[in-house]
Amino acid sequence: SQTIHQWPATLVQPVGSPLSLECTVEGTSNPNLYWYRQAAGRGLQLLFYSVGIGQISSEVPQNLSASRPQDRQFILSSKKLLLSDSGFYLCAWGGYVINTEAFFGQGTRLTVV
Amino acid sequence: DQQVKQNSPSLSVQEGRISILNCDYTNSMFDYFLWYKKYPAEGPTFLISISSIKDKNEDGRFTVFLNKSAKHLSLHIVPSQPGDSAVYFCAASASNFGNEKLTFGTGTRLTIIP
Repeated sequence: SQTIHQWPATLVQPVGSPLSLECTVEGTSNPNLYWYRQAAGRGLQLLFYSVGIGQISSEVPQNLSASRPQDRQFILSSKKLLLSDSGFYLCAWGGYVINTEAFFGQGTRLTVV
Repeated sequence: DQQVKQNSPSLSVQEGRISILNCDYTNSMFDYFLWYKKYPAEGPTFLISISSIKDKNEDGRFTVFLNKSAKHLSLHIVPSQPGDSAVYFCAASASNFGNEKLTFGTGTRLTIIP
């Protein structure tokens, strides 16, 4: 069965420091991969999605970037964190079949101080 | 522009009664709708979905109703149980976009009172 791993679970970083969150999926090939952020009072906002290695689409302008170096690996990065980057970050994967649900990782609580 | 809206940020329901969570959308291209349940510090888990060709889908205690003309869907939980206390997100996608990229609402925190 498919599983999705996301780490770390919590992270406290100072303003201006870099960020790297990693997500890997097992048990499937060529998944669509997504990064979401849950910020207070704003639901789940799609940040990036990827349909294949090296293919990244950005949904909103921001201080973050994403990369997909391998088929089942998705990385969320920042060179310099801002206070406004604090939030709960979720990686998700979905198959290539339309009209199906996405499956989420456990999330990373990022606090920028 | 919030294309999927959950206008009630919170809802309290007595155990055993029916919980009704509402969701409205504005994008007429949406043709697939989902409900997710989320506990604190965890990722959302999929609950139930409905395609736009249907107006009702039932799975155990959970039923989702879709009113396309009103661009409105609702999730009914009956009977409500303490373990149902969580944040519920409505989500929508459009098959014309070619993938299941989801647009989420802001969530409704459901509290079941024992």
